[in-house]
Amino acid sequence: DAGITQSPRYKITETGRQVTLMCHQTWSHSYMFWYRQDLGHGLRLIYYSAAADITDKGEVPDGYVVSRSKTENFPLTLESATRSQTSVYFCASSEWTASRQETQYFGPGTRLLVL
Amino acid sequence: GESVGLHLPTLSVQEGDNSIINCAYSNSASDYFIWYKQESGKGPQFIIDIRSNMDKRQGQRVTVLLNKTVKHLSLQIAATQPGDSAVYFCAEDGNQFYFGTGTSLTVIP
Repeated sequence: DAGITQSPRYKITETGRQVTLMCHQTWSHSYMFWYRQDLGHGLRLIYYSAAADITDKGEVPDGYVVSRSKTENFPLTLESATRSQTSVYFCASSEWTASRQETQYFGPGTRLLVL
Repeated sequence: GESVGLHLPTLSVQEGDNSIINCAYSNSASDYFIWYKQESGKGPQFIIDIRSNMDKRQGQRVTVLLNKTVKHLSLQIAATQPGDSAVYFCAEDGNQFYFGTGTSLTVIP
């Protein structure tokens, strides 16, 4: 059972380039999330998705695009990378039961460096 | 907006001692709380959770206490081991998950 995986694990890119971070989960969780983690800020929500073809903005969505054509995948795209987007990106998934969200389970993270 | 804070950014304990990590939250409507452990270079790992209808919940060597009156959450780790060294942070579920910045626990052998 792979759980939740992210790729690539490490990425170096240049300012202005488009970058896509992949996230895949095998639990068939309905909810998926993208966070960035920076020193002093903790985890900040970028985007989330409640189901296939349903996405919504989180706390820091600017400069990012997401899609969810399949339940198990939730790619995050930086359309034109900036240095401020250098960060560690975590994908998470969770299920809803009895009208409440259950625990979020996290992937291993992608470390992105924008030069 | 929401805020989830931790009282101490770092904590050092002797191996075998008990550890207590604290967390304050601001949204009195939050009804679900989680503690995560994050080791260096890894993603956050679920430790234990608690719903607002409970004051205490125990797991294996860990206990979470919830004081809704003062909006305070704590994680107690019994007989702390070197493998417990990590960053611990709490999360609260209001209408969205909010995460604290974390407390770095160092276990001294």
